[in-house]
Amino acid sequence: KNEVEQSPQNLTAQEGEFITINCSYSVGISALHWLQQHPGGGIVSLFMLSSGKKKHGRLIATINIQEKHSSLHITASHPRDSAVYICAVTSGGSNYKLTFGKGTLLTVNP
Amino acid sequence: GAGVSQSPSNKVTEKGKDVELRCDPISGHTALYWYRQRLGQGLEFLIYFQGNSAPDKSGLPSDRFSAERTGESVSTLTIQRTQQEDSAVYLCASSPRGGGGTGELFFGEGSRLTVL
Repeated sequence: KNEVEQSPQNLTAQEGEFITINCSYSVGISALHWLQQHPGGGIVSLFMLSSGKKKHGRLIATINIQEKHSSLHITASHPRDSAVYICAVTSGGSNYKLTFGKGTLLTVNP
Repeated sequence: GAGVSQSPSNKVTEKGKDVELRCDPISGHTALYWYRQRLGQGLEFLIYFQGNSAPDKSGLPSDRFSAERTGESVSTLTIQRTQQEDSAVYLCASSPRGGGGTGELFFGEGSRLTVL
């Protein structure tokens, strides 16, 4: 079974700061997802990647397959970025069964 | 609607009662997932439907849990004889293809179940 660890568990930042959230996993994967969960529970898929780097607006996701590690970066953070960020991976021969990290609670203060 | 729709959004029930949760996926999405999120915990996979293939039920925690899907449309998750440990948010997601490595997931808002 793949173990997915996220760090930090909690992160508080000031508006405008550069944010990095990390995700490590124990077993080789076929894909990694970054998800955003706002208060109230709604989940939005941010990125799905299996190699390299993806960028969408102020968000950047990178993955290093050899090191079994991914990072989510937020540039010029804003209070509306406050949410729980969740890393999830597929592995073990399944291309659909996700194993989730416990999430990183990000609070961006104005 | 344009997104994944779940109902009810909130359900409070007494221990021992049966509950039924509903998910309407995005039209045309062949893959549908149910997940459970207990308070303070990460999401847990429950069940996966892909087209007309046999569902993967390996995540269902006990035989009190069952789920059905009609074709590539609505799915219902049924919990019989609810227990307090069933209290959680039940999330449904759909994907245009098999998810994970081959498709983006679209989540519903979830159904919050409280068992008294």
